[in-house]
Formats: sequence, C-alpha cells, structure tokens
Amino acid sequence: LAKTTQPISMDSYEGQEVNITCSHNNIATNDYITWYQQFPSQGPRFIIQGYKTKVTNEVASLFIPADRKSSTLSLPRVSLSDTAVYYCLVASGSFKTIFGAGTRLFVKA
Amino acid sequence: NAGVTQTPKFQVLKTGQSMTLQCAQDMNHNSMYWYRQDPGMGLRLIYYSASEGTTDKGEVPNGYNVSRLNKREFSLRLESAAPSQTSVYFCASSDGTGGLSGELFFGEGSRLTVL
Repeated sequence: LAKTTQPISMDSYEGQEVNITCSHNNIATNDYITWYQQFPSQGPRFIIQGYKTKVTNEVASLFIPADRKSSTLSLPRVSLSDTAVYYCLVASGSFKTIFGAGTRLFVKA
Repeated sequence: NAGVTQTPKFQVLKTGQSMTLQCAQDMNHNSMYWYRQDPGMGLRLIYYSASEGTTDKGEVPNGYNVSRLNKREFSLRLESAAPSQTSVYFCASSDGTGGLSGELFFGEGSRLTVL
C-alpha cells in the first residue's frame, strides 16, 4: 500500500485559494488518488478522485503530474466552513483503504 | 435515504465488559468497513468486508471481532473492552473497492469510552 505524506496543518484566509499537496512516491500503476474532508464529530466525506492529469468538480480540483508521485488538492476561494481535516488516500483494488494523519486546514476571517 | 446508520452513538463501558456496535447501510453496497479514530489522529482500519459472507483484518484488528450479518449489516464486537479502545468508531460502505469506486460513505460515528 502506498504511503502518503501531507503537511500537518495549514492556515488560510477567507476568499483565498488553498493548495494542499500530498506525496506518494511509491504509488502503484493501478492506484487512484482520493481526497476526503472531515469536520469535527463527523465521518469523512469524499471530495474528489483522480488517476492522472487534472480532475475538477463543483467543490475542488485535483492536479496530478505525469509521474504521479504527488498530487495537489485545490480549493478555490475558501470560506470559514472549509475549516476541516483533509485526507489524501492512495488505493487500488485492495479493500484496505488506509487513511493517513491528514492536513488540518484552518480558515480565518 | 439514511445512508449509513450506526448505533449506539455514545456508550460508556467498564473495563472487561463486552458490547457490539451496529452498522447498517441502505445503499445496496457490497463492501463495508470499520474504522477507529483516536483524538487528533487519522482513521485506522479495524476490519472490512469486501462482500456478504467475507471479512478480513485491517490495520488494528486485535481486540475486535466482526460479523457481516447480511448485505446491509456489519457489526463490530468488543469481547473484553480495554481503556485503549476508547475511541470514535466509524462504519463505512462502498459500492466497490475503496480505491476504484472512489467513494466511501461514512456513518456519524459511535463514541465509546472505556473506564
């Protein structure tokens, strides 16, 4: 299972774009990259998933370079409600979906 | 549409007591999972069930047992609770594998305290 490394915490201000980078140097050919968001006292919630290049949905964008050894979650114009923990996961056909420690994002007014 | 429902939401046990956490999903998902989350930490996989009738160990299975009762229900049992099992427990389900299907759906969590 590919191990992921993320910053422990990040601070931002309302209205700014936030980029959270995840390193996964030993990602396997079949692995997908998935990001989850977790608010206090709630279970994680799926944000976005990608395999290569760029994926965008109504919430975020995911950028994956050609070597796939890292990925960047981009949150456009964050608000106070985006304060949460963000998890980067790398998984393939295995059911052992492993969460790392995540990145605590704190958005200030 | 309830999604993933966990019971109980809160429980206090004494060391050595046993209890079962219940989880049910109404999305007709094949795979189900139990995670634990200690304060300020990420989630750790306890057990998972890839399909009805199968269960497998995750990262931290010691002290726990599971039962995939049917396609909807996946229970987690603590036979002899220990203070180290004080945690928030999350059940999740997925239509496929956690990686390829892209989305794990989580319950609201069960907060367990062992005294």
